Amino acid sequence: QSALTQPASVSGSPGQSITISCTGTDSDVGAYTYVSWYQHHPGMAPKLLIYAVNERPSGVSDRFSGSKSGDTASLTISELQAEDEADYYCCSYAGGDVEVFGTGTRVTV
Amino acid sequence: EVQVVQSGAEARKPGESLRIACTTSGYNFPNYWIGWVRQRPGKGLERLGIIYPGDSDARYHPSFQGHVAMSADRSINTAHLQWTSLKTSDTAIYFCARARDSGGLYFDYWGPGTLVTVS
Repeated sequence: QSALTQPASVSGSPGQSITISCTGTDSDVGAYTYVSWYQHHPGMAPKLLIYAVNERPSGVSDRFSGSKSGDTASLTISELQAEDEADYYCCSYAGGDVEVFGTGTRVTV
Repeated sequence: EVQVVQSGAEARKPGESLRIACTTSGYNFPNYWIGWVRQRPGKGLERLGIIYPGDSDARYHPSFQGHVAMSADRSINTAHLQWTSLKTSDTAIYFCARARDSGGLYFDYWGPGTLVTVS
């Protein structure tokens, strides 16, 4: 099972919106509505941002939103803030007991 | 409040054994899967496997089957990840996380990671 493909880096200015793509196949992203997104500040515990494609856990800012079309899922961060500078990973169920992570995207503000 | 705490950094030589720990609090430990995820230097996240502490049902990603072992001790709300013979390629940060099942798993609370260095 190959890692999902994400852009290595995305940048934006404070207040702007950015979108991170996560491309898989019809065996993972395209087959299931079980895509999650995580924010990781190096040296800290990763944080769940989105689950089940577009569901936000309580306590997560509504500036983070998720969507999916075909084999590609997306995370949009609106009203970009300095604290959003981090690594972002998508993850998709791929059947059986397998979840596969994305390659990761470094967001620079 | 759910908390996930992991044991401290470890350094070993190739061929040595190691066990690292993941201790949780704030929820009913037996009733939620615990997942292990690694991050090699400069790389992304990879899921090693999951374990259900209620009955110690352990499921491994095929790439890691036979090389690591997961266990859970309900008496101390702690999950363990163990190697019997480490390789230099095992050098990584190992995260544990509580997993929720919505049809597919997602990880809602993560530990800060344990750095394992094999050289």
